[in-house]
Amino acid sequence: DADVTQTPRNRITKTGKRIMLECSQTKGHDRMYWYRQDPGLGLQLIYYSFDVKDINKGEISDGYSVSRQAQAKFSLSLESAIPNQTALYFCATSDKNGTGYNEQFFGPGTRLTVL
Amino acid sequence: GNSVTQMEGPVTLSEEAFLTINCTYTATGYPSLFWYVQYPGEGLQLLLKATKADDKGSNKGFEATYRKETTSFHLEKGSVQVSDSAVYFCALTSPTGNQFYFGTGTSLTVIP
Repeated sequence: DADVTQTPRNRITKTGKRIMLECSQTKGHDRMYWYRQDPGLGLQLIYYSFDVKDINKGEISDGYSVSRQAQAKFSLSLESAIPNQTALYFCATSDKNGTGYNEQFFGPGTRLTVL
Repeated sequence: GNSVTQMEGPVTLSEEAFLTINCTYTATGYPSLFWYVQYPGEGLQLLLKATKADDKGSNKGFEATYRKETTSFHLEKGSVQVSDSAVYFCALTSPTGNQFYFGTGTSLTVIP
């Protein structure tokens, strides 16, 4: 079973619609992240959370919001989707101190298309 | 600030050729360095890592050495295979591990 899961895997929506992307993890990690990937731009950080009560904006948070419902769940919302939010979205987790390397573990991604 | 610059692709190689993908970084303090690989339709997977100067990370025949004097972490493989076709990302994390910084990715295609 996958350690980091994302739902849905694919979503097509219309401009102005509200949409939520969900992420769950079974790794027991405290830290969770949301990224978007666009061709030629690599990964851009949207939001990150170091525990249930800690939410931080990343470099491109405008137009997005997040909720950390539990240690294992971190959802990303687009309140009013627009076409330039069409992208591949990834959730990731990392351990606080365990390995000492702070590597991130990624979900399989959600491909979002906004028409 | 922190940033990662990696060579632009796409890169196309014949099977068994030698691979180098360049990566340089700018960072405060002593970051940890990573190479991630993304196969088609999948998320990123950690390929290898190094946490201090002169460390060599290695996995699946890939290697990269943390060079503080040149602020580089170039990825190499002596003989690539078709199955190595993927997008490769160089990344760093600050010493506190609070944030990750990714390069733009380099697409590799290996032809038989």
